[in-house]
Amino acid sequence: DAGVTQSPTHLIKTRGQQVTLRCSPKSGHDTVSWYQQALGQGPQFIFQYYEEEERQRGNFPDRFSGHQFPNYSSELNVNALLLGDSALYLCASSRRGSPLYGYTFGSGTRLTVV
Amino acid sequence: GNSVTQMEGPVTLSEEAFLTINCTYTATGYPSLFWYVQYPGEGLQLLLKATKADDKGSNKGFEATYRKETTSFHLEKGSVQVSDSAVYFCARFMNRDDKIIFGKGTRLHILP
Repeated sequence: DAGVTQSPTHLIKTRGQQVTLRCSPKSGHDTVSWYQQALGQGPQFIFQYYEEEERQRGNFPDRFSGHQFPNYSSELNVNALLLGDSALYLCASSRRGSPLYGYTFGSGTRLTVV
Repeated sequence: GNSVTQMEGPVTLSEEAFLTINCTYTATGYPSLFWYVQYPGEGLQLLLKATKADDKGSNKGFEATYRKETTSFHLEKGSVQVSDSAVYFCARFMNRDDKIIFGKGTRLHILP
């Protein structure tokens, strides 16, 4: 049973560019949450998707947007990249109604903005 | 502000030493509490959890007890190994929020 899969694993972008990160949730999960982990910091909640809609959002600017597809997979898009967007981006999946028992993290995408 | 506070690292210990990493939380209500571990270059792995007061989570020799009276969830291990070197994150979860809030992490170095 595959866990949470994220792609790509590493990415280098230039300031001002746009990036798309992808996440496939664990089988049986329908909710996807995205986190940003800056170097030396704990993961910070970006937003969460369920039924193809953004359900809640952390304190991140509108440059960060997302999408969820009918198969529950999700994308995170970041526009107008800044150097400060360099971080490890983690995706977590869970099942609505019983999130506590299945919150599973992927290995992350490491984004470097130069 | 951050509702999970854990001791700052790095923490450096010799192999077989006793480990404590302190964690306190703030929350309205009764959160579930977790410790996650992150090995170099990897994502997050759930180490242990506790869902109600006085519960003790345990895994791989690590333990943490949910203390409602002190709003704490300190991580302990009686005899650490070099392979325990990693970053440890304390975290909380509220059903009504449906998201996990993390502390800033504590880097642990174990010397042989």
